Amino acid sequence: GESVGLHLPTLSVQEGDNSIINCAYSNSASDYFIWYKQESGKGPQFIIDIRSNMDKRQGQRVTVLLNKTVKHLSLQIAATQPGDSAVYFCAENLSSGGGADGLTFGKGTHLIIQP
Amino acid sequence: GAVVSQHPSRVICKSGTSVKIECRSLDFQATTMFWYRQFPKQSLMLMATSNEGSKATYEQGVEKDKFLINHASLTLSTLTVTSAHPEDSSFYICSAKLGSTMNTEAFFGQGTRLTVV
Repeated sequence: GESVGLHLPTLSVQEGDNSIINCAYSNSASDYFIWYKQESGKGPQFIIDIRSNMDKRQGQRVTVLLNKTVKHLSLQIAATQPGDSAVYFCAENLSSGGGADGLTFGKGTHLIIQP
Repeated sequence: GAVVSQHPSRVICKSGTSVKIECRSLDFQATTMFWYRQFPKQSLMLMATSNEGSKATYEQGVEKDKFLINHASLTLSTLTVTSAHPEDSSFYICSAKLGSTMNTEAFFGQGTRLTVV
């Protein structure tokens, strides 16, 4: 079946540098995408979302880019800090209806911030 | 943001017993809650959608008789793992949405680590 995918399992960046985490999705019907951060042993924490009628959205130190043509989603984190170390998941909303409105998660990228 | 609380955070049970996990929306009402399972170093997989006052909707491959879901109120959903086996050991996470419409933010609980021995 269709699912959200992953480009890199682990990404290591120097503290203070910018990081880019990528995600490919295959469900062309998806119209809502979310990035989550998950620290070890904890539940996912919402970072930022974007709807399919947008191609860019900015938050505090984070930017999400959506390219519907190639079905690609990215999360940019500016000036990374040690606290940014975590696993990052992209997720898409199942827009096919049928009563279920849960999320399909990608495999995740482990971001490591080097001091 | 809205707060979703799970209890317990960790549980160890013997094989063959049942375990109940609670998911509460603390400061909002949630007509729909979701249950996910996450194995080590893997992603979250949607198990079922819990609807207040009606039967849960299970994803393909998830046994409804093994994973009993009850959503008796707008702030509480429970997941009961019946006749647990070691392969059921996993991280179980619930989420709830603020609105009843699609494309709204979902808030996640802190997860429950289930270990079946």
